[in-house]
Amino acid sequence: SQQGEEDPQALSIQEGENATMNCSYKTSINNLQWYRQNSGRGLVHLILIRSNEREKHSGRLRVTLDTSKKSSSLLITASRAADTASYFCATDAYGGSQGNLIFGKGTKLSVKP
Amino acid sequence: NAGVTQTPKFQVLKTGQSMTLQCAQDMNHNSMYWYRQDPGMGLRLIYYSASEGTTDKGEVPNGYNVSRLNKREFSLRLESAAPSQTSVYFCASSEYGRGRGQPQHFGDGTRLSIL
Repeated sequence: SQQGEEDPQALSIQEGENATMNCSYKTSINNLQWYRQNSGRGLVHLILIRSNEREKHSGRLRVTLDTSKKSSSLLITASRAADTASYFCATDAYGGSQGNLIFGKGTKLSVKP
Repeated sequence: NAGVTQTPKFQVLKTGQSMTLQCAQDMNHNSMYWYRQDPGMGLRLIYYSASEGTTDKGEVPNGYNVSRLNKREFSLRLESAAPSQTSVYFCASSEYGRGRGQPQHFGDGTRLSIL
């Protein structure tokens, strides 16, 4: 049962440009998290935004959350080749099974030097 | 800091064989998880353990069993492997379970092929 859906599926940009990825979800959430996955590696937690927050920053990352539209966006500013990875949103929703962070299918970001 | 360690990293099995995937975390986390990742499907939860001695089914538990051996270790067993279980398996841990706003920490996965 996919809750979060990322858009676009793939994104290719030049180094120095900004990258924006979007996530839409279906049900009310407690919080929404973004993760990065480098090729052949596990997921790494980037940032968590709670349902009562609208925007959060961490270094070059900016996350917004619009609970009325059930959507979130992840902005990476001044991208670097090292940002090349897949990015996943994950929703921690009310109800359902314990421990169930529901992940989207991811956005594959390619940053060209 | 090892974090979450999974063994083995790669495995090839024949249909019907059994095997156990091992996972250990050194962060003193209470909750542990097993996911599978298939192309185009994202991550899907197989089983979850809120704390030592408890386990719960996730979205895709059929064909798998788990054991929370102690606070550190959480193993996943395939009793009779099927080609549909070819996937990349990830173990993760968090200080507490869902609804508590906890990030999950992932291992680097086990790439399992079943012929």
